[in-house]
Amino acid sequence: KQEVTQIPAALSVPEGENLVLNCSFTDSAIYNLQWFRQDPGKGLTSLLLIQSSQREQTSGRLNASLDKSSGRSTLYIAASQPGDSATYLCAVPTGANNLFFGTGTRLTVIP
Amino acid sequence: KAGVTQTPRYLIKTRGQQVTLSCSPISGHRSVSWYQQTPGQGLQFLFEYFSETQRNKGNFPGRFSGRQFSNSRSEMNVSTLELGDSALYLCASSLQGTELNTEAFFGQGTRLTVV
Repeated sequence: KQEVTQIPAALSVPEGENLVLNCSFTDSAIYNLQWFRQDPGKGLTSLLLIQSSQREQTSGRLNASLDKSSGRSTLYIAASQPGDSATYLCAVPTGANNLFFGTGTRLTVIP
Repeated sequence: KAGVTQTPRYLIKTRGQQVTLSCSPISGHRSVSWYQQTPGQGLQFLFEYFSETQRNKGNFPGRFSGRQFSNSRSEMNVSTLELGDSALYLCASSLQGTELNTEAFFGQGTRLTVV
């Protein structure tokens, strides 16, 4: 049974700092992994989707990596800004349009 | 193009009532999934529809049901509401929804409060 863990649960950093969010999964037989951002009380915004054949995916200041063999993915945020404050979730598919989510990392970027 | 639209955004219902939530997927997307998000349980999969057929179902009681129309719009229904059904209900749309192509796009959610 798939388990997805995100550590740390919460993180506070000063503005401008680079940071890394971690996502671990137990079943490495995944086709892809998706990172989302969620603002309080709002829906999820898709940030990056990494296919299992890829090792990295980049979008602006965001870079996500995937290591299936070790069951890990990281989301790197460069030059953090207060607007990056949100909860970040990783998710892996366990069936057709059926995502299994981690518990998230709540990020606060302090001006 | 327009994103995933969920209506209504907020609902307050009384225990024992029933509720219907609506989701309009991104144009061209045929797969719609529903999730429940609570502080204690996080995001949990409810069910998924593709071409008007339910393909997957999560571990929720039969009070939770859904359907999909020919235009891919989907509704979910919760009958005999309980206090524990208070949650943010999220809908996700995907082009085909297969494991090989599961990039999912979410709506803003419907916040349901049961009193």
